[in-house]
Amino acid sequence: DIQMTQSPSSLSASVGDRVTITCRASQGISNYLAWFQQKPGKAPKSLIFATSTLQSGVPSRFSGSASGTDFTLTISSLQPEDFATYYCQQYSSYPLTFGGGTKVDIK
Amino acid sequence: EVQLVESGGGLVQPGGSLRLSCATSGFTFSDHYIDWVRQAPEKGLEWVGRTRNKANSYTTEYAASVKGRFTISRDDSKNSLYLQMNSLKTEDTAAYYCVRSSYISGWYPDYWGQGTLVTVSS
Repeated sequence: DIQMTQSPSSLSASVGDRVTITCRASQGISNYLAWFQQKPGKAPKSLIFATSTLQSGVPSRFSGSASGTDFTLTISSLQPEDFATYYCQQYSSYPLTFGGGTKVDIK
Repeated sequence: EVQLVESGGGLVQPGGSLRLSCATSGFTFSDHYIDWVRQAPEKGLEWVGRTRNKANSYTTEYAASVKGRFTISRDDSKNSLYLQMNSLKTEDTAAYYCVRSSYISGWYPDYWGQGTLVTVSS
């Protein structure tokens, strides 16, 4: 199975901050990497697929990138509605696997 | 508008069975892969399994933790997906989500249902 190691597990940030979250795959997954946002008590919401393609309606302050097996979600200027938990998922091979999540809260 | 609505969750004893449903609308159901993903209380997301679309013969994949106990099926005439869960264990307690996947050089998840809660307890 492909392990997805997500870091950090939590971070505190202020509105307007640039935030970066990383997922490292245990083996190559090409660009088959998605990111999700989940707010407390709600279902996850899809943000990005294919490493860097924004889902329809997702603000442009969100972006994704990759370097080898390291994948990054960047929020360029954190907004109040962005405080949430973020997950990555590889969909390159079965079983599909998620990172452990990164909780972004208010500093 | 794409919608996925899960139902069928509830309290069940260990060793029991439960069948979840996912009713969909707003898209051509038979064209898409659909996944089940679960989340134990205060834990992360875990992929449960997938059904492929009609063009790929509705074949299925499962996580090792549920293989042989859970079965995914679909009824394209009803635009619905099902998860039959047998031999339930306390560790199956979770919110269960159905998730649509679409294809652009890979089947990526795009829309999530709101989830249904399954509690396995005596």
